[in-house]
Amino acid sequence: DAGVIQSPRHEVTEMGQEVTLRCKPISGHNSLFWYRQTMMRGLELLIYFNNNVPIDDSGMPEDRFSAKMPNASFSTLKIQPSEPRDSAVYFCASSFAADRMDTQYFGPGTRLTVL
Amino acid sequence: AQTVTQSQPEMSVQEAETVTLSCTYDTSESNYYLFWYKQPPSRQMILVIRQEAYKQQNATENRFSVNFQKAAKSFSLKISDSQLGDTAMYFCAFEGGADGLTFGKGTHLIIQP
Repeated sequence: DAGVIQSPRHEVTEMGQEVTLRCKPISGHNSLFWYRQTMMRGLELLIYFNNNVPIDDSGMPEDRFSAKMPNASFSTLKIQPSEPRDSAVYFCASSFAADRMDTQYFGPGTRLTVL
Repeated sequence: AQTVTQSQPEMSVQEAETVTLSCTYDTSESNYYLFWYKQPPSRQMILVIRQEAYKQQNATENRFSVNFQKAAKSFSLKISDSQLGDTAMYFCAFEGGADGLTFGKGTHLIIQP
């Protein structure tokens, strides 16, 4: 298996622009997670899907952030409009979990820089 | 809410030495999982080892082992015969209850040649 795939690996954009991050989970996994990593706040869970349905989005910082999972093999995290404070590494992870407690496998991350 | 504390921001040891990274957590849950993840300079998050709280036996993966003390809420990682490739950030993580995976702030481990 190729593991969790994320694209792009690096993204540099200007403030105000829309940014879309993409994730392909491991085939057969039914849970998908988006995390953000910054030096100041460490790793934070943004949103969690189970069977393509958003279960917990309490970590989404504000309305500028949105996430979708149209099918079991694809998810997007969109930031519109982007701001410099959104600069971070964004990780996608997937797992096969009946009750959310199982090993999560992380993608390589997307490093986002908002100028 | 769960909390995970890693009290060692940075550690440095010589190659081939044994090193122990500490992690404590706080929870009221009785059923949970604990993990150690490694993040090398490539930024990839790599699962190192996992422990189920209901298991008394400490998990072991080759050179990596844990000392899980449930009553003390302690979950340390021991790396034996450390190698240069072990240089990375190490994150302790807790999963249980409604909060999902909670990470510590990480320990930067440097293996010196």
